[in-house]
Amino acid sequence: GENVEQHPSTLSVQEGDSAVIKCTYSDSASNYFPWYKQELGKRPQLIIDIRSNVGEKKDQRIAVTLNKTAKHFSLHITETQPEDSAVYFCAAEMNYGGSQGNLIFGKGTKLSVKP
Amino acid sequence: DSGVTQTPKHLITATGQRVTLRCSPRSGDLSVYWYQQSLDQGLQFLIQYYNGEERAKGNILERFSAQQFPDLHSELNLSSLELGDSALYFCASSVVGAGGDEQFFGPGTRLTVL
Repeated sequence: GENVEQHPSTLSVQEGDSAVIKCTYSDSASNYFPWYKQELGKRPQLIIDIRSNVGEKKDQRIAVTLNKTAKHFSLHITETQPEDSAVYFCAAEMNYGGSQGNLIFGKGTKLSVKP
Repeated sequence: DSGVTQTPKHLITATGQRVTLRCSPRSGDLSVYWYQQSLDQGLQFLIQYYNGEERAKGNILERFSAQQFPDLHSELNLSSLELGDSALYFCASSVVGAGGDEQFFGPGTRLTVL
């Protein structure tokens, strides 16, 4: 089945610096890769996603890149702010048999942005 | 607010007991997913329903079961509870549950087993 590895598990940056979180996946048939942000005690919320027909997608200070050949994708946050502090999860959509739509999540990265 | 609702918000119970968690998907969404999030752990996919039918199973224990009703709300039943079942349980919903369909998460039910 699909396996998603996420690194690093914790990341501390100074306000204004960039943060990069990397994920690898195992199922070459996966075509959808969302990123979720989860603040303490809150629900996960989608912040950006990418599909396999594009290599990069940007939304203001957030960007995601995808390398299907290498089976890895990354989240880039520029000009970090204290409110970016949260746990970030990457995910890959299972895409075989009857399992389309199911997401396999990485274990999360706790990002701390220091003022 | 994602439009997905879950009840109860908190649940405290004892080992060996049985509980039921409830989820109402966003209006128009046909697919419901259940996830378990233990302390310092990621989101573990448990089970998916689509329009009343079970579509896929993940790491769901035999002591756990779920169903989706004709009005599309879903219930997750946890029985013979153990201390290790203490976790945050999320449900999510999406329109059709396939092909890059965005999942919207509910606020979660925090289960504490004493």
